[in-house]
Amino acid sequence: DIQMTQSPSSLSASVGDRVTITCRASHSISTYLNWYQQKPGKAPKLLIYATSSFQSGVPSRFSGSGSGTDFTLTISSLQPEDFATYYCQQSYSTPRTFGQGTKVDIK
Amino acid sequence: QVQLVQSGAEVKKPGASVKVSCKASGYTFTGYYMHWVRQAPGQGLEWMGWINPHSGITDYAQKFQGRGTMTRDTSISTVYMELRNLISDDTAVYYCARTGLRDGYNPEYFLHWGQGTLVTVSS
Repeated sequence: DIQMTQSPSSLSASVGDRVTITCRASHSISTYLNWYQQKPGKAPKLLIYATSSFQSGVPSRFSGSGSGTDFTLTISSLQPEDFATYYCQQSYSTPRTFGQGTKVDIK
Repeated sequence: QVQLVQSGAEVKKPGASVKVSCKASGYTFTGYYMHWVRQAPGQGLEWMGWINPHSGITDYAQKFQGRGTMTRDTSISTVYMELRNLISDDTAVYYCARTGLRDGYNPEYFLHWGQGTLVTVSS
């Protein structure tokens, strides 16, 4: 199985901050990496697919990059509605696997 | 618009089975794979498997092979996930999630999600 490791597990940030979340795969997954945002009591929401492709309707302050084993999600200017937990997920092989999540809360 | 509506919360005893449904609307049901993902309380996301609603072909995470079964009823645009021999660690919210591209094409991603079904396993 491909293990996905996110860092940090949690972070505190202020509105307007630039936030970067890292996701590392235990084996190369090319660019088959997706990012989801989840708020308490809600289903996950797709933000970015295939490493860097925006899902329609997602604000442009979200961006993704990387390839192979190392990937990043960047929020260029954190907004109040961005406080949530973020998960990376690989779709390269079975079983699909998720990172453990990064909780972003208010500083 | 695409909607995935799941069945209601369930409480089961250890050793029992549960069958969660996910009714799809707003798109061609047989055109998109459906995956199941679960989330234990306060924990992360765990992928369980997928079903091709057109063919009925399935693929499961090894952890659920032999204990989980995904099926579909094309006449009512509904997929099902059954889990047998429940244990307390199966207590979780179960989500169905539809892929973004048709027919299993890559890149694969989970674009549409059901609202989740809480399954509680307790004696």
